[in-house]
Amino acid sequence: ETGVTQTPRHLVMGMTNKKSLKCEQHLGHNAMYWYKQSAKKPLELMFVYNFKEQTENNSVPSRFSPECPNSSHLFLHLHTLQPEDSALYLCASSQDLSGRNGYTFGSGTRLTVV
Amino acid sequence: QKEVEQNSGPLSVPEGAIASLNCTYSDRGSQSFFWYRQYSGKSPELIMFIYSNGDKEDGRFTAQLNKASQYVSLLIRDSQPSDSATYLCAVIGGRKSSYKLIFGSGTRLLVRP
Repeated sequence: ETGVTQTPRHLVMGMTNKKSLKCEQHLGHNAMYWYKQSAKKPLELMFVYNFKEQTENNSVPSRFSPECPNSSHLFLHLHTLQPEDSALYLCASSQDLSGRNGYTFGSGTRLTVV
Repeated sequence: QKEVEQNSGPLSVPEGAIASLNCTYSDRGSQSFFWYRQYSGKSPELIMFIYSNGDKEDGRFTAQLNKASQYVSLLIRDSQPSDSATYLCAVIGGRKSSYKLIFGSGTRLLVRP
């Protein structure tokens, strides 16, 4: 596989459930990101990881918990979410934090919280 | 003030015309500028990036940057119906977003056959 792969593509979960989103990049990049995209709003940066170390938590509620075991894998653990958390969650990677060549995005996980 | 501003559109152009998409940014120190295309229900796809003032051409696409005016644009020549999508402007490298790619809300483009 090439590029950035996200699973699952779609997820429906209840407010009391615990689930995890997975992201894997095959580009040899060192930085990885989680973004949230809600309807009619700009992409919102959630977390930044560089060489598997978290460098940014953009005031994200604790019900979202990221994990980066290595430079190629990134997870977003979800628990006790709210309906307003329903959105498209996008993983991205870049060669380094400068991002000069842009970010490569995965296909996203469409999350619905019921 | 939003960090990256775009007109939400939709911008409607006939097939074969030039589509002009505009973006302004607030952080004067921003270094790198990007245009992404996003089809409905899909993830953003990088079209072009530009670092220096002036024009950068790639096929039917031309990115234009004016740092003094804090203005970035994307021209699409010979627009095709397949170009219909939302175009996202993004910037990185400013004082507030030194290592974070900050996106505008996007402009929806409709190319009429």
